[in-house]
Amino acid sequence: RKEVEQDPGPFNVPEGATVAFNCTYSNSASQSFFWYRQDCRKEPKLLMSVYSSGNEDGRFTAQLNRASQYISLLIRDSKLSDSATYLCVVNLYGGSQGNLIFGKGTKLSVKP
Amino acid sequence: DAGVTQSPTHLIKTRGQQVTLRCSPKSGHDTVSWYQQALGQGPQFIFQYYEEEERQRGNFPDRFSGHQFPNYSSELNVNALLLGDSALYLCASSTGTGVHYGYTFGSGTRLTVV
Repeated sequence: RKEVEQDPGPFNVPEGATVAFNCTYSNSASQSFFWYRQDCRKEPKLLMSVYSSGNEDGRFTAQLNRASQYISLLIRDSKLSDSATYLCVVNLYGGSQGNLIFGKGTKLSVKP
Repeated sequence: DAGVTQSPTHLIKTRGQQVTLRCSPKSGHDTVSWYQQALGQGPQFIFQYYEEEERQRGNFPDRFSGHQFPNYSSELNVNALLLGDSALYLCASSTGTGVHYGYTFGSGTRLTVV
């Protein structure tokens, strides 16, 4: 079983749609969780950290279910500029220790 | 405030050669991690340097080695290059202090082995 698994997509959605990404992780001892965004041929950039209480940043909402070892990202009112690959990321440690374990990413294309 | 700087941006090498990639961390960051991203895959952890020591290592062979300098900059060395080493190599810097434990990535070095 892969350490972090994501739906590979691609997700092709019209502007204004709501899209949800799901992710599962295998190590129950994982401490910190993130969603990164990666544009084509660019570096990954932190979109948001994910907390057990759930957190929201504008049109983006992230949820963590530790019991199910499941992470989600919801994008509401999607924009053309949201087109990118979304990477689910897990760290066995909090803080800057340890290493980031990435899923393969889910590609999103938002069409006019 | 400069972010993470990597050099070179692109590189073409022949099988069996050796390569050195360089990374300057974001100002205020003291930890440098290296990742390999093959086409269509997520980045994979190679190793992490802190206080000039290798603190953690991923599942990569000994052909991959590194170094961290007193100014926190870092090098990744790969010996005896294989075709399969062709990838985007990403450097990420971080710090254990402060509220936000974010990793900042450089734009990467795209290595092609022919």
